[in-house]
Amino acid sequence: QKEVEQNSGPLSVPEGAIASLNCTYSDRGSQSFFWYRQYSGKSPELIMFIYSNGDKEDGRFTAQLNKASQYVSLLIRDSQPSDSATYLCAVGGGSNYKLTFGKGTLLTVNP
Amino acid sequence: DAGVIQSPRHEVTEMGQEVTLRCKLISGHNSLFWYRQTMMRGLELLIYFNNNVPIDDSGMPEDRFSAKMPNASFSTLKIQPSEPRDSAVYFCASTTGPHEKLFFGSGTQLSVL
Repeated sequence: QKEVEQNSGPLSVPEGAIASLNCTYSDRGSQSFFWYRQYSGKSPELIMFIYSNGDKEDGRFTAQLNKASQYVSLLIRDSQPSDSATYLCAVGGGSNYKLTFGKGTLLTVNP
Repeated sequence: DAGVIQSPRHEVTEMGQEVTLRCKLISGHNSLFWYRQTMMRGLELLIYFNNNVPIDDSGMPEDRFSAKMPNASFSTLKIQPSEPRDSAVYFCASTTGPHEKLFFGSGTQLSVL
């Protein structure tokens, strides 16, 4: 059973701070890693993806991947109240299309 | 681009009734996924199709659930008979490839009384 684990939170940070979200996965054959943001009552939307070890930056978001440790993280710099949402980590394996999602971390950014 | 379109947005039904959820893929996408989301279990994959063919239905809870993809752009998820424990948000999502991003529909909030 492939598993993706996330701290459910809530993670509370003040406005302007860096929010750090973490995810571990069990399948060493995993090849693609995604972060989705889900506002309450809405559908998940993709905000970052990473395939190779290291860091990937896009605006205020940085995804970090360490395949040896089976660990992926998302950093949000200069957090805004509009970043308050649940962040879902998703992991894909090999040649199939199947993504396994974590249960998500609830982030609250306080003004 | 209209995105992934799901209907209905909300469905309230009584235990034992048949429920049909509908999904229209984004044009050009060849893979479709049905997910179910609850607070307890998070986002669970029920079934996915590639080029209209069901590839993995191991997440379908039991025989009461069935899914079809009669053409390249449309899919249905049917629950018959429905039970209160089926209450959840059901999402469909589509993509173009195994490592490409997934686009989600707005979801169907199902309540079985």
